[in-house]
Amino acid sequence: KQEVTQIPAALSVPEGENLVLNCSFTDSAIYNLQWFRQDPGKGLTSLLLIQSSQREQTSGRLNASLDKSSGRSTLYIAASQPGDSATYLCTNAGNNRKLIWGLGTSLAVNP
Amino acid sequence: DAGITQSPRHKVTETGTPVTLRCHQTENHRYMYWYRQDPGHGLRLIHYSYGVKDTDKGEVSDGYSVSRSKTEDFLLTLESATSSQTSVYFCAISGQGAGQPQHFGDGTRLSIL
Repeated sequence: KQEVTQIPAALSVPEGENLVLNCSFTDSAIYNLQWFRQDPGKGLTSLLLIQSSQREQTSGRLNASLDKSSGRSTLYIAASQPGDSATYLCTNAGNNRKLIWGLGTSLAVNP
Repeated sequence: DAGITQSPRHKVTETGTPVTLRCHQTENHRYMYWYRQDPGHGLRLIHYSYGVKDTDKGEVSDGYSVSRSKTEDFLLTLESATSSQTSVYFCAISGQGAGQPQHFGDGTRLSIL
């Protein structure tokens, strides 16, 4: 059974730091891997999607990488800002297209 | 933002009553999904649809049914609500292809007393 694990569960950093969020998954047969952001009491916002044939994707200060052989993805946030405070969720779609979700990393960026 | 509307946004009801949640999209996407989100469990797939009248079960489908009679609408029904179904329910949509991300609605907070 596919499982997705996110480490750390919570992270608190001062503004301006570069940081890395980790996601590991047990099944390397993936369709795509996505990173989402969720603000308290809100829905989820798609940040980056990496297809199975790709190694990384970038959007602004965000960069996500995918290593299928090791079953890992990382989300890199450059020059963090207080507005980046949210829960970040990693999800892995297997070949049946059903998404399996991690529990998320709760990020607090302090001014 | 993707055009997804969930209704109602909040609902309080009693055990044993039927409840229907509605998801409406304006994107003409093929795939629609219903999730529930609970502390300690994360997001879990209830049912999904890959076309009109084409649906399949997710990992927590017991006690739930769905229907999709039109591309734009995906209904989630709790036939006889139980307290364990108190949760936040999210609808999501996606287009076809591995490069298509899922887009989420704002959620429905359902409390069953």
